[in-house]
Amino acid sequence: DSGVTQTPKHLITATGQRVTLRCSPRSGDLSVYWYQQSLDQGLQFLIQYYNGEERAKGNILERFSAQQFPDLHSELNLSSLELGDSALYFCASSVPSGGGITDTQYFGPGTRLTVL
Amino acid sequence: QQPVQSPQAVILREGEDAVINCSSSKALYSVHWYRQKHGEAPVFLMILLKGGEQKGHEKISASFNEKKQQSSLYLTASQLSYSGTYFCGTEPAGGTSYGKLTFGQGTILTVHP
Repeated sequence: DSGVTQTPKHLITATGQRVTLRCSPRSGDLSVYWYQQSLDQGLQFLIQYYNGEERAKGNILERFSAQQFPDLHSELNLSSLELGDSALYFCASSVPSGGGITDTQYFGPGTRLTVL
Repeated sequence: QQPVQSPQAVILREGEDAVINCSSSKALYSVHWYRQKHGEAPVFLMILLKGGEQKGHEKISASFNEKKQQSSLYLTASQLSYSGTYFCGTEPAGGTSYGKLTFGQGTILTVHP
């Protein structure tokens, strides 16, 4: 158990719908990362937040958005869902270590999204 | 650009050794190694930093060749619990990625009794 929690564990929805995935980082961690894992694309970085502010952006679609709240939990919003959005969505968290810019990321259990 | 891992898959018997490689076309600051079992979250294994600093918490070793932008993960005396998919995640040199990792396609390791 990494200490990162994600809800829900499974989500089944229809095309065109909107869903929200939630992530609570490990106690003390300030950074939250979102990843998408699908069979054909592998593990893809979506976006990172640090202490409430967006810090880095990856291959995140315009239909997707995220935010980190003052209590440091984060939400990933997926809208106008398409069949190809079906995937495992992971959240990871980290705490800055010793002034360096590389931190160990600890992954949550993931949310499996199925779009029918 | 995605790092390239090799081999794509490897099958071992308990007690055998394996090496998994990760190559990048870009100058790297760090390489992160993870193991993922089917349907579960990736689990952190080790970080290799430019300059030779190495961090990890399991009895698995790794190296980082900065000149070749390659990292290798060494699994010795493999155990059944080593089975899973191994991913390397790379962070480019330059200090502006803030931990943004690009992951390889994964290497599937299967250990048989």
